[in-house]
Amino acid sequence: AQTVTQSQPEMSVQEAETVTLSCTYDTSENNYYLFWYKQPPSRQMILVIRQEAYKQQNATENRFSVNFQKAAKSFSLKISDSQLGDTAMYFCAFMLNSRLTFGEGTQLTVNP
Amino acid sequence: EPEVTQTPSHQVTQMGQEVILRCVPISNHLYFYWYRQILGQKVEFLVSFYNNEISEKSEIFDDQFSVERPDGSNFTLKIRSTKLEDSAMYFCASRNDNRGLNQPQHFGDGTRLSIL
Repeated sequence: AQTVTQSQPEMSVQEAETVTLSCTYDTSENNYYLFWYKQPPSRQMILVIRQEAYKQQNATENRFSVNFQKAAKSFSLKISDSQLGDTAMYFCAFMLNSRLTFGEGTQLTVNP
Repeated sequence: EPEVTQTPSHQVTQMGQEVILRCVPISNHLYFYWYRQILGQKVEFLVSFYNNEISEKSEIFDDQFSVERPDGSNFTLKIRSTKLEDSAMYFCASRNDNRGLNQPQHFGDGTRLSIL
């Protein structure tokens, strides 16, 4: 079974600064997909960024980028130029055969 | 942009009653899912559905639960004989596989189920 671990239950950052959220996972599979989802206080689940395991290049989506280290089974999310609207719970997720397995989440607070 | 829609947004039900949570997936999507998030906990997979049948289910998805696609648009989760511990946010998601397995799942806004 796959597991996803987010070791930082809470983090905070000043507006306009950069923050990195960590995520590790455990799997014996080789072809899988990784995602970061954002859950604001409204509790919607919003896709932030995705990464295919077969791609070496790290995914980037505007202010969001990942550091994907396949050998280390690490998938961290970097948020640059943090904005107040980035305040949310962030979930790392692993997908194999279309089933998503989520980590415990990291509550990020962006302070003005 | 097309969205997954879920109704109701909040459902309050007496323990022991049956509840049906409704979802309208994005119209050209082929794979449908239900997830559960107990307050303060992580999101947990319940079931996936493809081609009018369950393709995978978790250990949580026991005989108390069932899913159905009664027509061409709705995807429902039925919970029979509800228990207090069924109180949670229930998310529906759908995915388009036309361009391969890396297509992300799109989530609805969730239904908050409260069992009294």
